[in-house]
Amino acid sequence: EPEVTQTPSHQVTQMGQEVILRCVPISNHLYFYWYRQILGQKVEFLVSFYNNEISEKSEIFDDQFSVERPDGSNFTLKIRSTKLEDSAMYFCASSEPRSQETQYFGPGTRLLVL
Amino acid sequence: AQSVTQLGSHVSVSEGALVLLRCNYSSSVPPYLFWYVQYPNQGLQLLLKYTSAATLVKGINGFEAEFKKSETSFHLTKPSAHMSDAAEYFCAVSDHNAGNMLTFGGGTRLMVKP
Repeated sequence: EPEVTQTPSHQVTQMGQEVILRCVPISNHLYFYWYRQILGQKVEFLVSFYNNEISEKSEIFDDQFSVERPDGSNFTLKIRSTKLEDSAMYFCASSEPRSQETQYFGPGTRLLVL
Repeated sequence: AQSVTQLGSHVSVSEGALVLLRCNYSSSVPPYLFWYVQYPNQGLQLLLKYTSAATLVKGINGFEAEFKKSETSFHLTKPSAHMSDAAEYFCAVSDHNAGNMLTFGGGTRLMVKP
């Protein structure tokens, strides 16, 4: 069964460094999303992306964050200058045109900012 | 704005007993509702969804949920718990007017006693 994949599974970085989290959505899906879950807190929406542009973004998704679909398969989340409070599990999700509302999630990338 | 409340951050049942996980939502538009399950160290797996068809929805692993508009609820049930059902369960509501963003509840950790 097709699934969303994410790399790396874990990333440790120093405060102020840039990180890029990578996702490969399900192949026929056209809607892409990033969410994060800070330890012990709710899963929070960051951004949705369709047709090479951001559809919606939350207040969390400030100028430090950016997303890109650099080729036909990858979808990336970049954090330009990481802060301690960016430490979280980051989930990528995707959905297909016929059922946009139904999102399938990847296994997540656990980011630790020191 | 949408919101989801899951009553009970931890629920413990005996193997073979009824599982009932509660979810109440608030939405300004007719909601699409979802239950996701997260096993330890894994991503979010879709259990079931309500998208304005039948109000009683059946999902994977014997789970089902009933949409009750008058109660703004979407409780998750399973007649007989298995040890393998131990996981964290998240209820979510989709805003199809805002890039399909999902708003999640705080999650309920289900423990199954032998």
